[in-house]
Amino acid sequence: SQQGEEDPQALSIQEGENATMNCSYKTSINNLQWYRQNSGRGLVHLILIRSNEREKHSGRLRVTLDTSKKSSSLLITASRAADTASYFCATDGGYGGATNKLIFGTGTLLAVQP
Amino acid sequence: KAGVTQTPRYLIKTRGQQVTLSCSPISGHRSVSWYQQTPGQGLQFLFEYFSETQRNKGNFPGRFSGRQFSNSRSEMNVSTLELGDSALYLCASSPGTAKNIQYFGAGTRLSVL
Repeated sequence: SQQGEEDPQALSIQEGENATMNCSYKTSINNLQWYRQNSGRGLVHLILIRSNEREKHSGRLRVTLDTSKKSSSLLITASRAADTASYFCATDGGYGGATNKLIFGTGTLLAVQP
Repeated sequence: KAGVTQTPRYLIKTRGQQVTLSCSPISGHRSVSWYQQTPGQGLQFLFEYFSETQRNKGNFPGRFSGRQFSNSRSEMNVSTLELGDSALYLCASSPGTAKNIQYFGAGTRLSVL
């Protein structure tokens, strides 16, 4: 089963605009990660935010986490055509044991028009 | 370092056959996980191996199995293939023991006819 939903399912913007994607999840977590997938290929890790963090930045990426609402958002600023991809949030499901298992959201398909 | 390598990249099989997919993790990574991606179900966790032991398993039938070798390379096997097994199978490795960043391979796309 999947951890939760991502919103919107699809997003189309112009180059230079900002893109915001939202993720909701169902269980407690230790951390939340965001991954990018280009056209049915492997996933690339973007950023990891721990449950005790509220905001994290990496280059043009900004991630927020609200554990009380079980939600996270990913903001991509000044988007480029190369940002066109599917974006997934993933959590560890709050497991206490030793595992690298990830539970993925449904993903947001981002299209950046040149 | 070389990335995660999955072979083969594409595979076509018929119903009832079995298939073995291979994954070579990044050197030094002891954790290998497998995921199935389909349009309908999205990304689903299959299983995770760490130091040759399966330590977590997803909700898949027993037709799906895997193993890990002493060099951390992993294989997954699907027996008695069904049409619904058509999917992109992704392997991921991690340097840490738990709750770490995953490094994914390019995947094996399996088509079952």
